[in-house]
Amino acid sequence: EAGVVQSPRYKIIEKKQPVAFWCNPISGHNTLYWYRQNLGQGPELLIRYENEEAVDDSQLPKDRFSAERLKGVDSTLKIQPAELGDSAVYLCASSMFTDTQYFGPGTRLTVL
Amino acid sequence: GESVGLHLPTLSVQEGDNSIINCAYSNSASDYFIWYKQESGKGPQFIIDIRSNMDKRQGQRVTVLLNKTVKHLSLQIAATQPGDSAVYFCAEIVRNEKLTFGTGTRLTIIP
Repeated sequence: EAGVVQSPRYKIIEKKQPVAFWCNPISGHNTLYWYRQNLGQGPELLIRYENEEAVDDSQLPKDRFSAERLKGVDSTLKIQPAELGDSAVYLCASSMFTDTQYFGPGTRLTVL
Repeated sequence: GESVGLHLPTLSVQEGDNSIINCAYSNSASDYFIWYKQESGKGPQFIIDIRSNMDKRQGQRVTVLLNKTVKHLSLQIAATQPGDSAVYFCAEIVRNEKLTFGTGTRLTIIP
């Protein structure tokens, strides 16, 4: 069974530029999560979807971050404009309802 | 602030020995705990979980112990192998809400 797929794996951009990350969850998983992981720390939840509905986006900086999961499968996380402090690994995870979350490999973002 | 934390940021263990990674939590309402392993350049990988109504759970070479009295969780890895080198996170869920991770412990296996 394929795991969670994320792309790109690495992204380097200059500050104030936009960037987007894509995630394809495990087939059949209705719940999708986006996390941000700073160096040396554990992942922190940005947003959680149940199907196409964002049920928890309380930690998403809405002034510059946006996310969508239009058909309840794939999801895109966007940052516009990026700031230096946005450099981190962005992880996508999926689960069946609130069961065990399975993580993708992440996208390492570097903002210069 | 974070309610889940780890006692030691790094741990070095001789290959073949047993490893014990500790974790403290502060939320007495936490009802589900998970240990994840994260290798360099990869996402966290599920290892083992335990619910608050249990004290111990065993998997293949891994055992998780939960002490609710002192709000302490540990991960024991038996007969460590080079492939066990990674950062280990404990994480908690309170009432089916979001997963909260601790900082992590880096485990290094010495050949």
